[in-house]
Amino acid sequence: KAGVTQTPRYLIKTRGQQVTLSCSPISGHRSVSWYQQTPGQGLQFLFEYFSETQRNKGNFPGRFSGRQFSNSRSEMNVSTLELGDSALYLCASSLDTGPYGYTFGSGTRLTVV
Amino acid sequence: GENVEQHPSTLSVQEGDSAVIKCTYSDSASNYFPWYKQELGKGPQLIIDIRSNVGEKKDQRIAVTLNKTAKHFSLHITETQPEDSAVYFCAASYGSSNTGKLIFGQGTTLQVKP
Repeated sequence: KAGVTQTPRYLIKTRGQQVTLSCSPISGHRSVSWYQQTPGQGLQFLFEYFSETQRNKGNFPGRFSGRQFSNSRSEMNVSTLELGDSALYLCASSLDTGPYGYTFGSGTRLTVV
Repeated sequence: GENVEQHPSTLSVQEGDSAVIKCTYSDSASNYFPWYKQELGKGPQLIIDIRSNVGEKKDQRIAVTLNKTAKHFSLHITETQPEDSAVYFCAASYGSSNTGKLIFGQGTTLQVKP
């Protein structure tokens, strides 16, 4: 079966711009979680969506937001980009809410210049 | 607090030897402990996980042990092969069972020399 699909794979943006990343979960998976991966901070939780509702949010500024659609696809948005937002953004899907049995996508590599 | 400590940060073994990676977590309420393998250019891949009501779990050459009293859990890889070379992450659940998240360790870069 198809895995978790994240688009685009690579992005280069300028400081101050905004960006939208997309995640299509495994068919039948209803929960989508987002993580930021950087060399310095490692993997950090951004948020989780289940049935179009945000169930949990990490310690990130309000510039980071997300949403989930009725087909479970999810998007995350980062506004007013800063250099420190450069990272690999990973989406993980699972059958139900909670961090169990995540399947991660390959990520979107965002570079802010 | 939310913290998972992982050691060592790098590990080099000869093919056929065993590799052990250790993690310590801080939240006594954590009840789920997965391990992920991440290869270059890919997302983390779940290789084994364990729940808090189980002390040990094995899947072929991979095993995980959990000591809830000491808040330690470990990954054991036996008969290592060059394709086991990757970055390995441990994680612990944090928060309630249905809205929780994972707190990840900093990762261990495993190199298996042929």
